[in-house]
Amino acid sequence: AQTVTQSQPEMSVQEAETVTLSCTYDTSESDYYLFWYKQPPSRQMILVIRQEAYKQQNATENRFSVNFQKAAKSFSLKISDSQLGDAAMYFCAYRSASSGAGSYQLTFGKGTKLSVIP
Amino acid sequence: GAGVSQSPRYKVAKRGQDVALRCDPISGHVSLFWYQQALGQGPEFLTYFQNEAQLDKSGLPSDRFFAERPEGSVSTLKIQRTQQEDSAVYLCASSYGLLSYEQYFGPGTRLTVT
Repeated sequence: AQTVTQSQPEMSVQEAETVTLSCTYDTSESDYYLFWYKQPPSRQMILVIRQEAYKQQNATENRFSVNFQKAAKSFSLKISDSQLGDAAMYFCAYRSASSGAGSYQLTFGKGTKLSVIP
Repeated sequence: GAGVSQSPRYKVAKRGQDVALRCDPISGHVSLFWYQQALGQGPEFLTYFQNEAQLDKSGLPSDRFFAERPEGSVSTLKIQRTQQEDSAVYLCASSYGLLSYEQYFGPGTRLTVT
């Protein structure tokens, strides 16, 4: 079974600064997807960024980028120019790329609560 | 278009009562997932559907939990004889298909069992 570990329960960042959230995972599969989800206090989870394991290039979405280290099974999220609206719980998630039972659901870490200081 | 909706948003049940939680997925989404999120934890998988077929229910914690999606659209998660450990937020997510990258989440139903 796959596991996802987020070792930082809470992080804080000054507005306009950069912060990096850590995530490690354990899997025996070679093909999979990794995601960062944001859950604001209203609880609706939204996708921030995704990475396909077969791609060497790190994904980027505007101010959000990842550092994907496949051999180390590490998948960190960097938020640049932090804004007050970035304050939320951030969850790292894993999904298998194979077909069949057990492959389609997301496996989440415990989350990191990010605070943005004005 | 409308996103995933869930009702009720909050539910308080006395221990031993049965509850039913509803999920309305995005129109046209054939895949639907249920997750349970305990306080301070990440969501954990319960079950998923492809249209009306329940393909995986390995995450349901006990036989008191039952999910259905009879017409391949709206889904209901039913919990019989609720226990205090069932207190959690229940999240529903839908996607175009099982192979779709993105799952779109609803706001969740917060269940409190007293």
